[in-house]
Amino acid sequence: AQKVTQAQTEISVVEKEDVTLDCVYETRDTTYYLFWYKQPPSGELVFLIRRNSFDEQNEISGRYSWNFQKSTSSFNFTITASQVVDSAVYFCALSEYSGAGSYQLTFGKGTKLSVIP
Amino acid sequence: DTEVTQTPKHLVMGMTNKKSLKCEQHMGHRAMYWYKQKAKKPPELMFVYSYEKLSINESVPSRFSPECPNSSLLNLHLHALQPEDSALYLCASSLETSGFQETQYFGPGTRLLVL
Repeated sequence: AQKVTQAQTEISVVEKEDVTLDCVYETRDTTYYLFWYKQPPSGELVFLIRRNSFDEQNEISGRYSWNFQKSTSSFNFTITASQVVDSAVYFCALSEYSGAGSYQLTFGKGTKLSVIP
Repeated sequence: DTEVTQTPKHLVMGMTNKKSLKCEQHMGHRAMYWYKQKAKKPPELMFVYSYEKLSINESVPSRFSPECPNSSLLNLHLHALQPEDSALYLCASSLETSGFQETQYFGPGTRLLVL
């Protein structure tokens, strides 16, 4: 069985602080993909990043960075100099084989980030 | 362009009503998905369509009836819903379903309230 754990249910930070959202996953597959999505109060799930299990390079996109460590089965997400617009629920997800040649996403429970001005 | 559109944005219906949710994408994606999301929970997969054929039905009650008229359009027909069906209904699409690398792109959702 595959599982994604986001242990932090809610985090509050003051604007301009850095914040790291944790994601730990379990899988028996040797090849897999991990994703991060952002869900602002409006409801839409916004795709942020996709990472495959063979690529352990950290990635940076503006104020966002991701640290993938296969040895610890973690795929953590850091926001530098947080802004109020970063307030949202963030989901980590693992691509899972669902049979009949299809794959589906297994989501973590999400971390609600509140950035206080 | 990674846009998935959904209508309506909000829907209030009684338990005896029949209504439909609509989802559309013009990215050439061949896989489309319906998810249900309750408050403070992650999305739960309901249905998957691949090349306009239903490929996954996650044991969803028959009061939810999906339809994929063409590769760009996905509907969810609702009939005799219960108050516990009130939720955010999200549509998503991806290029294919046959690869774990496929990224799903989500629409803004329809907030459904069943009275």
